[in-house]
Amino acid sequence: GAVVSQHPSRVICKSGTSVKIECRSLDFQATTMFWYRQFPKQSLMLMATSNEGSKATYEQGVEKDKFLINHASLTLSTLTVTSAHPEDSSFYICSARFSVSQETQYFGPGTRLLVL
Amino acid sequence: DQQVKQNSPSLSVQEGRISILNCDYTNSMFDYFLWYKKYPAEGPTFLISISSIKDKNEDGRFTVFLNKSAKHLSLHIVPSQPGDSAVYFCAASGLNYGGSQGNLIFGKGTKLSVKP
Repeated sequence: GAVVSQHPSRVICKSGTSVKIECRSLDFQATTMFWYRQFPKQSLMLMATSNEGSKATYEQGVEKDKFLINHASLTLSTLTVTSAHPEDSSFYICSARFSVSQETQYFGPGTRLLVL
Repeated sequence: DQQVKQNSPSLSVQEGRISILNCDYTNSMFDYFLWYKKYPAEGPTFLISISSIKDKNEDGRFTVFLNKSAKHLSLHIVPSQPGDSAVYFCAASGLNYGGSQGNLIFGKGTKLSVKP
């Protein structure tokens, strides 16, 4: 199957700092990448959809100034959590899709963020 | 309002027997359904999918059945193996379901435990 990587896998930071998470599709070009968040024992919640070369589309309730998304190339999308607070602590997962007509998404391994 | 529901949070099955994981959906505009397997602190792994034009799709030990009139799908794993123990997420998608195009809507997951 398609391979998607995420870096870092785990990050601990102080409140008020910014954290950048990278998502890369390793063996295919992803026209669209998605960012999800998962709280303990909860389902995956879509945060935003990222299309290469255009602005990300955020889901209702997700602050776009808080969660900055950049999809600079067909293989890389980044999520920056700005001025992180303890309530931002969560498991962040990205996924990638080949094309608009291909609905299967392939997920990265996730990033565990802990804000102290 | 949950559009994709997995009503059983957990399921325990003996090794070698059949595991049946169920999923219900409410939006009749969904036309593509997927099952993902997820281990703790990892991203979901794509297992199998089915389009709404079919009622069954099989891949090795995994079979997905779709009953459109009942808005119900199920994942059958036979024979079940201890390595199948994980959380299984059902997801639905559709180009015209009313949400963001091509996005996946996830259920809350069912934790499967296969006992040796």
